[in-house]
Amino acid sequence: ETGVTQTPRHLVMGMTNKKSLKCEQHLGHNAMYWYKQSAKKPLELMFVYSLEERVENNSVPSRFSPECPNSSHLFLHLHTLQPEDSALYLCASSQTGTGGYTFGSGTRLTVV
Amino acid sequence: GNSVTQMEGPVTLSEEAFLTINCTYTATGYPSLFWYVQYPGEGLQLLLKATKADDKGSNKGFEATYRKETTSFHLEKGSVQVSDSAVYFCALSDGTGANSKLTFGKGITLSVRP
Repeated sequence: ETGVTQTPRHLVMGMTNKKSLKCEQHLGHNAMYWYKQSAKKPLELMFVYSLEERVENNSVPSRFSPECPNSSHLFLHLHTLQPEDSALYLCASSQTGTGGYTFGSGTRLTVV
Repeated sequence: GNSVTQMEGPVTLSEEAFLTINCTYTATGYPSLFWYVQYPGEGLQLLLKATKADDKGSNKGFEATYRKETTSFHLEKGSVQVSDSAVYFCALSDGTGANSKLTFGKGITLSVRP
């Protein structure tokens, strides 16, 4: 148990579907992150939330929509995705100023 | 901006061999440095860290020393095991303010043969 829980672990969705990824942390951290990990590519930082406010959005397409209702929960809402969006989506949390992140196990997303 | 450069992979070793994975960085100020490991089908786990120059991080037989003069944080292990097969990421954090974030290297895959 890493302290950061992601659900679901695996998701297959069609290009016209709407789905959401969920992340929950039990560590009392005040920052949360979404990363995308694609085969043979570096980790891509997508979104950063600090104290429940989005502080970074790295030119992510609008078909990805994050939501952070409180400091323990983070969602990634997915709508009309493309096959190239298939990847492992990783959530992480941290206490700002300490540098170290705790990652969840990820959601393996396949868009068909 | 900050950046992390890792040696090209993959790396394949026999069990009990010595491991070195190179990592160099570019950063302003005094970053903290990290090694993360990702086992198959899992997320990233913090392996070790160092927060200032000459600090040595260590865990599970792995070590890395923060070398400011060479801007490096090479990962070493004296005797690798099959269970060490994973992807290893070097990372840095400027560690300051509310917007501090990790910058990752590309990662390197280590395979250990029995």
